[in-house]
Amino acid sequence: DAGVTQSPTHLIKTRGQQVTLRCSPKSGHDTVSWYQQALGQGPQFIFQYYEEEERQRGNFPDRFSGHQFPNYSSELNVNALLLGDSALYLCASSGGPGGDYGYTFGSGTRLTVV
Amino acid sequence: KNQVEQSPQSLIILEGKNCTLQCNYTVSPFSNLRWYKQDTGRGPVSLTIMTFSENTKSNGRYTATLDADTKQSSLHITASQLSDSASYICVVSGDTGGFKTIFGAGTRLFVKA
Repeated sequence: DAGVTQSPTHLIKTRGQQVTLRCSPKSGHDTVSWYQQALGQGPQFIFQYYEEEERQRGNFPDRFSGHQFPNYSSELNVNALLLGDSALYLCASSGGPGGDYGYTFGSGTRLTVV
Repeated sequence: KNQVEQSPQSLIILEGKNCTLQCNYTVSPFSNLRWYKQDTGRGPVSLTIMTFSENTKSNGRYTATLDADTKQSSLHITASQLSDSASYICVVSGDTGGFKTIFGAGTRLFVKA
């Protein structure tokens, strides 16, 4: 039973560019949440997708956007990259938007902006 | 303001020794508190989950305690192993859904032979 898979594992981008990160949830999960984790910090909530809609959003600018597909997989898009966007981006899936108990994290995508 | 504070920031112990990590929170209303283990460059892995009515929960050599009155939790690791070297993150949920889930900055544990 596959857990949460994220791709790519590592990525290097230049300031001003755009990036797309991908996440496939654990089998049986229908909700995907995205987090940004700076070095030495805890993850910060970006947004959550359920039924192909953004259900909740943290304190991140509109440069951060996402999408959820009918198969529950999700993408995180970041436009106009800044150096400060360099971080580990984590995807977590759960069984429903209230499924805090069932959070499963992927291994993350390490984004470096130069 | 909803916050989760962990201490110490980092900790070095010898293999075989015990240690206790602390978590204080101000998240309200409170739904549940979780401890995660995160290896470097990896996603967090859940160790324990506790709701308001639970004051202790064990997972092998890991034992978590919760005092909902003082809003404090601890994670006790018994007979530490080299593989316990990781960051331990306290996560408090004040409501269902992602936004009210607050992550602590973590305690970085180093276990030395």
